[in-house]
Amino acid sequence: DAGVTQSPTHLIKTRGQQVTLRCSPKSGHDTVSWYQQALGQGPQFIFQYYEEEERQRGNFPDRFSGHQFPNYSSELNVNALLLGDSALYLCASSSSDRYSMGETQYFGPGTRLLVL
Amino acid sequence: AQTVTQSQPEMSVQEAETVTLSCTYDTSENNYYLFWYKQPPSRQMILVIRQEAYKQQNATENRFSVNFQKAAKSFSLKISDSQLGDTAMYFCAFMTDTGFQKLVFGTGTRLLVSP
Repeated sequence: DAGVTQSPTHLIKTRGQQVTLRCSPKSGHDTVSWYQQALGQGPQFIFQYYEEEERQRGNFPDRFSGHQFPNYSSELNVNALLLGDSALYLCASSSSDRYSMGETQYFGPGTRLLVL
Repeated sequence: AQTVTQSQPEMSVQEAETVTLSCTYDTSENNYYLFWYKQPPSRQMILVIRQEAYKQQNATENRFSVNFQKAAKSFSLKISDSQLGDTAMYFCAFMTDTGFQKLVFGTGTRLLVSP
């Protein structure tokens, strides 16, 4: 059973460019959350997707957008890249059930983005 | 807004010894979930243990156990019989029970296990 997968593993971009990161959830999971982890910090919540819609959003600008596909995989897009966007981007998947809260999130290996 | 505080940036322990990592949090909610995740140098965030706030019994997973003090809003992780493979960053995380599964993380504790 494959866990959460992310691609690419590493990425180098220049300021002003756009980037797309991809995530495939763990089998049986329907919810995808994205986190940004700056060097030496804990992950910060960007947003969460469920049923192809953004369900919740953290304190990130509109330059950060996402998408979820019918097969539950997801993309994170960042436009007009800034140096400060350099970070590890983590995807986490979980199962949403209106009768079950606090579902554990399982993380992928992350994509390391460097903006020059 | 909920916050999670890990006051120990770094800890070190020798193999086979026991170490305790501290975590405190702030919330006005009565029910919630707490997690400890491990992030080794390979970067993959791995779940170590979880605790439901409505459960009084402390969670245990093999060599890992927690001391959950709800009134004090404290959630420490005890690692017994430390192994070299336990070397990693450890993050404490909080999740609300109000519907959205968003994790709020602390800043982490770097644990070094030496021979």
